[in-house]
Amino acid sequence: EAGVVQSPRYKIIEKKQPVAFWCNPISGHNTLYWYLQNLGQGPELLIRYENEEAVDDSQLPKDRFSAERLKGVDSTLKIQPAELGDSAVYLCASSLSGIGEQFFGPGTRLTVL
Amino acid sequence: DAKTTQPPSMDCAEGRAANLPCNHSTISGNEYVYWYRQIHSQGPQYIIHGLKNNETNEMASLIITEDRKSSTLILPHATLRDTAVYYCIVREANTGNQFYFGTGTSLTVIP
Repeated sequence: EAGVVQSPRYKIIEKKQPVAFWCNPISGHNTLYWYLQNLGQGPELLIRYENEEAVDDSQLPKDRFSAERLKGVDSTLKIQPAELGDSAVYLCASSLSGIGEQFFGPGTRLTVL
Repeated sequence: DAKTTQPPSMDCAEGRAANLPCNHSTISGNEYVYWYRQIHSQGPQYIIHGLKNNETNEMASLIITEDRKSSTLILPHATLRDTAVYYCIVREANTGNQFYFGTGTSLTVIP
């Protein structure tokens, strides 16, 4: 069974540029999470989807971050415009129903110059 | 969700058991204890979870004290590939809430 797929694995951009990350969860997993991980810290939730619906986006900085999960499968996280402080690893995770363990992708490492 | 306290780092000799402690003194009755680990440049990986009974799987054993205020993750025969950051997390059952990872314990397995 394929795991959670994320692309790109690495992205380097200049500040004020837009950037987008893509996630394909495990087949059949209804719940999808986007986490942000700063160096030396554990992951922190940005947004959680149940199918197409964003059920928890309280920690998503909505002035510059947006996310979508069309058709309740793949998801895209966008930053526009990126700032220096956005340099981090962006992790996507999925779970079967939201109440069990979460399966994480390898993450996208973003560097903003 | 309750907070957890873990030592920032530990070393373990290869082939020996690695015992990683976690304190969760404010855990409530419906909160499970989860353990994840994160190997460098990879996403976190689920290891094991439990409510109040000890649990064992192919990766590790989880020992939860009777008062549930602390737990220990045991890797019975540590290998170099077990070098990682280990996160102890408590979370309510039957919710889709996020996992609060904290900063975890950085385990180094020494040859």
